[in-house]
Amino acid sequence: QKEVEQNSGPLSVPEGAIASLNCTYSDRGSQSFFWYRQYSGKSPELIMSIYSNGDKEDGRFTAQLNKASQYVSLLIRDSQPSDSATYLCAVRAGSYQLTFGKGTKLSVIP
Amino acid sequence: KAGVTQTPRYLIKTRGQQVTLSCSPISGHRSVSWYQQTPGQGLQFLFEYFSETQRNKGNFPGRFSGRQFSNSRSEMNVSTLELGDSALYLCASSENPPNTEAFFGQGTRLTVV
Repeated sequence: QKEVEQNSGPLSVPEGAIASLNCTYSDRGSQSFFWYRQYSGKSPELIMSIYSNGDKEDGRFTAQLNKASQYVSLLIRDSQPSDSATYLCAVRAGSYQLTFGKGTKLSVIP
Repeated sequence: KAGVTQTPRYLIKTRGQQVTLSCSPISGHRSVSWYQQTPGQGLQFLFEYFSETQRNKGNFPGRFSGRQFSNSRSEMNVSTLELGDSALYLCASSENPPNTEAFFGQGTRLTVV
């Protein structure tokens, strides 16, 4: 059974701090990794995609992938109250479906 | 470029009825996937269509079915609705997985009473 694990939180960080979100996955054949942000009552919004080991930066967001450790993370620098949401880690392992973690709820305190 | 469009946004149905949900993907995207989201189970994969063919199916009963048309628009159908089918149903559009990004529509909130 393919699994994606995330700490459910809530993760609370002060405004301006770095928020660190983590995700582990069980399928070593996983090829594609995604982070989605979901505000309450809304649909998931794609933030980052990463396909190879290392870091990928986009604005205030950095995704990190370590396939050997089966670990992917998302760093949010200069966190803002508008970043308060649930962050979903998703993994695709050669098939066409995405397997999602249950999400980490982030709260940025002003 | 228009995003993924799902209709209707909200539905209230009675147990035993059936329902059809619609999804129009991003122009040029030929893959459409459907997911069910509930507070307890999170996002769970229902099925994926590419060029009118179902390529993958999740672990849901046969009451859940779908199809895709030649213009890539997709529908999913749930027959004999149960209370437990109450959920947010999400459609995701991609060019052609696995190494492509998936973009979600606004979802259809189904309530079964």
